[in-house]
Amino acid sequence: AQTVTQSQPEMSVQEAETVTLSCTYDTSESDYYLFWYKQPPSRQMILVIRQEAYKQQNATENRFSVNFQKAAKSFSLKISDSQLGDAAMYFCAYRSYNLNFGNEKLTFGTGTRLTIIP
Amino acid sequence: NAGVTQTPKFQVLKTGQSMTLQCAQDMNHNSMYWYRQDPGMGLRLIYYSASEGTTDKGEVPNGYNVSRLNKREFSLRLESAAPSQTSVYFCASSEGRGQGGYTFGSGTRLTVV
Repeated sequence: AQTVTQSQPEMSVQEAETVTLSCTYDTSESDYYLFWYKQPPSRQMILVIRQEAYKQQNATENRFSVNFQKAAKSFSLKISDSQLGDAAMYFCAYRSYNLNFGNEKLTFGTGTRLTIIP
Repeated sequence: NAGVTQTPKFQVLKTGQSMTLQCAQDMNHNSMYWYRQDPGMGLRLIYYSASEGTTDKGEVPNGYNVSRLNKREFSLRLESAAPSQTSVYFCASSEGRGQGGYTFGSGTRLTVV
């Protein structure tokens, strides 16, 4: 079974600075998806960024980018120019690619609570 | 707006009471899921339905039942609520073809006293 580990329960960053959230995962599969979700106080789960394992290029969405290290099974999220609205719980998640396994479920890490300091 | 609709948003139950959480999606997604979120534990899968007419257990299915009523609706039932089921429950859906992420409902905060 796949596991996802987020070793930083809490992080804080000064507004306008850059912060990196860590995520590692364990899998025996070669093809899969990785995600970062944001959960603000409203409780809504919001997709931040997605990475396909077969793509070597790191995904980027505006101020959000990832550092995907497939061999190391590492998938960190970098937030540049942090804004007050970035304050939230961030979850890393894993999903199998091969539907023949019947395993398209998302497996989540335990989350990192990010605080933005004005 | 298209998306996943969960009802109710809040609920308080007494131990031993039963209730059903409702979930509906209007995106014609094949797959639907129920997760629970507890502090320090992330989201854990309770049950899922890969397609209409099928359901499977997830990581923490004990104490729950589900029904995939049709392609749109996937309900979660607590037959005899226990304090350990106090949690935030999320319904989600996906196309189920390996593409993209999930769309989540806004969650139900359930307290069992």
